[in-house]
Amino acid sequence: GESVGLHLPTLSVQEGDNSIINCAYSNSASDYFIWYKQESGKGPQFIIDIRSNMDKRQGQRVTVLLNKTVKHLSLQIAATQPGDSAVYFCAEMNQAGTALIFGKGTTLSVSS
Amino acid sequence: EAGVVQSPRYKIIEKKQPVAFWCNPISGHNTLYWYRQNLGQGPELLIRYENEEAVDDSQLPKDRFSAERLKGVDSTLKIQPAELGDSAVYLCASSLNLQGGQFFGPGTRLTVL
Repeated sequence: GESVGLHLPTLSVQEGDNSIINCAYSNSASDYFIWYKQESGKGPQFIIDIRSNMDKRQGQRVTVLLNKTVKHLSLQIAATQPGDSAVYFCAEMNQAGTALIFGKGTTLSVSS
Repeated sequence: EAGVVQSPRYKIIEKKQPVAFWCNPISGHNTLYWYRQNLGQGPELLIRYENEEAVDDSQLPKDRFSAERLKGVDSTLKIQPAELGDSAVYLCASSLNLQGGQFFGPGTRLTVL
């Protein structure tokens, strides 16, 4: 079946540190991945996406890395800030290319 | 530009009562999705629309759930009758097309007593 999971349910970092959130996916045929940030009481917010023809993509303070060999996706946040505290989900486009499959999420806590 | 709009934000009802959620997607987005998110979990797709056509409703419990997107813009998701297990956040998302990134609304938190 298709499933997306995250390695750690929680991650705690100090303000200013770099954060790395990991995700393993199971469908080797997937070709589109998205990272979302969800703050309490809000819907998931699009952060960054990557297609399978790329290994790395950078945004503002965020970088997504895709390792298709081991089916691993990571989100790196540079100089983590308290406002980055949220639940982070990776999502994988399903095999039919019609729906996103979400993992369970990693809760990032940033302390000052 | 306005994002995806949903209402109401919160709804508390007793079991066996009906409830409806409304969504207005981002202007110009042809694809609309309804997801359900249980506490501590990621969103799970209920139904997907391409314009006014429901093209994937395989995960929608059709005995009690229904949805419509009559003019291919805003959409309504209905539950009748609601059960205790329906308590969740119902999220609406839209994308320009099937290949585009999905943008979510704030969700409606449903509590069934």
